[in-house]
Amino acid sequence: DADVTQTPRNRITKTGKRIMLECSQTKGHDRMYWYRQDPGLGLRLIYYSFDVKDINKGEISDGYSVSRQAQAKFSLSLESAIPNQTALYFCATRGSSGEETQYFGPGTRLLVL
Amino acid sequence: LAKTTQPISMDSYEGQEVNITCSHNNIATNDYITWYQQFPSQGPRFIIQGYKTKVTNEVASLFIPADRKSSTLSLPRVSLSDTAVYYCLVGISNFGNEKLTFGTGTRLTIIP
Repeated sequence: DADVTQTPRNRITKTGKRIMLECSQTKGHDRMYWYRQDPGLGLRLIYYSFDVKDINKGEISDGYSVSRQAQAKFSLSLESAIPNQTALYFCATRGSSGEETQYFGPGTRLLVL
Repeated sequence: LAKTTQPISMDSYEGQEVNITCSHNNIATNDYITWYQQFPSQGPRFIIQGYKTKVTNEVASLFIPADRKSSTLSLPRVSLSDTAVYYCLVGISNFGNEKLTFGTGTRLTIIP
């Protein structure tokens, strides 16, 4: 969905390096999410934010941090990357009403050597 | 958290109707049921959402029995382009208490 963009789309890094994945959205949504997808495990929630001043841990937040710089931007950082963080990472946004759906970005494929 | 259970995979021929069932025995009163479609190397895409009974849109129908402990996604007259992974999602987002849960998904393969 072009309304949610992620950069970079692909990244190879080495163990111990710091890396940042960025997400931007033009949907005007307050809520933003970072998910990780591993083969056979579906999507798992890393962090989520309901507005610029709000940051919440998800199911698997250890080893990750996030920053909500503005309503439209939500960044995910790996302070010291490790090989088991190799995965496909998705950003998503959602409106304020509980029943609204999530809109996902195209994903970032990360390989940690 | 409402845990969901779906078949791991399904095969169907082109032109057939496909029904994928999701079990969610501990669904909460305020939970909605949402289905997403995911193609390889793409983010999930919304298909349909419902709370109870039946919902229909231009691509699918969603059947939810009275007890809401399961739901069935129905795809009419599938084509090869419907080959994808389908996720059942149950939950509602309350401020400060995100409760959305993705299942492992059903890999649907359409056979020519």
